[in-house]
Amino acid sequence: DQQVKQNSPSLSVQEGRISILNCDYTNSMFDYFLWYKKYPAEGPTFLISISSIKDKNEDGRFTVFLNKSAKHLSLHIVPSQPGDSAVYFCAAISYNNNDMRFGAGTRLTVKP
Amino acid sequence: GAVVSQHPSRVICKSGTSVKIECRSLDFQATTMFWYRQFPKQSLMLMATSNEGSKATYEQGVEKDKFLINHASLTLSTLTVTSAHPEDSSFYICSAPPPRYNSPLHFGNGTRLTVT
Repeated sequence: DQQVKQNSPSLSVQEGRISILNCDYTNSMFDYFLWYKKYPAEGPTFLISISSIKDKNEDGRFTVFLNKSAKHLSLHIVPSQPGDSAVYFCAAISYNNNDMRFGAGTRLTVKP
Repeated sequence: GAVVSQHPSRVICKSGTSVKIECRSLDFQATTMFWYRQFPKQSLMLMATSNEGSKATYEQGVEKDKFLINHASLTLSTLTVTSAHPEDSSFYICSAPPPRYNSPLHFGNGTRLTVT
């Protein structure tokens, strides 16, 4: 039962362009959403988060958008840099249910 | 900031032996810890949720007798892979919810288990 889905397993963009990573969820009890970046053989690194009461959160080159009615969130990276190449996971938390789920991840490759 | 420490980072063991992985919250109390497993080129898969002072909650398909989880204190959770087989070789990661609502989840750096 995949409650959090990232339908694109990979994404390739040119350096300087925008990277858009998408994530969909099914459980309306999720109230907090996060994006993580992961390099091989390392733990995930937190990037940015958004509460369900907001629809946008921005931090430098990273912006997360949340569309609650569509149960959809996206991560925008602009401008993309080669060092951004990694696997990106979205995660959703329900604090009331003490539950956290990850998407399958999207491998982003930023070409110089 | 709050940190989760996971140990060991790498372990190689022979088939049939047991391996214990520790996950510690260093400066906050974690009544709950999550254990994940990652296969190559796949997502982090939640294995179980450990709860301090009570039994862990396992996800469907995860063998409770094979992956023993103990959450003995508010700062320590352990995952023991019993009678390890080569197919148990994987990357195991623990995480703990933050002490405050709306804070990022804290992860250990993971343990690379190789069973020969």
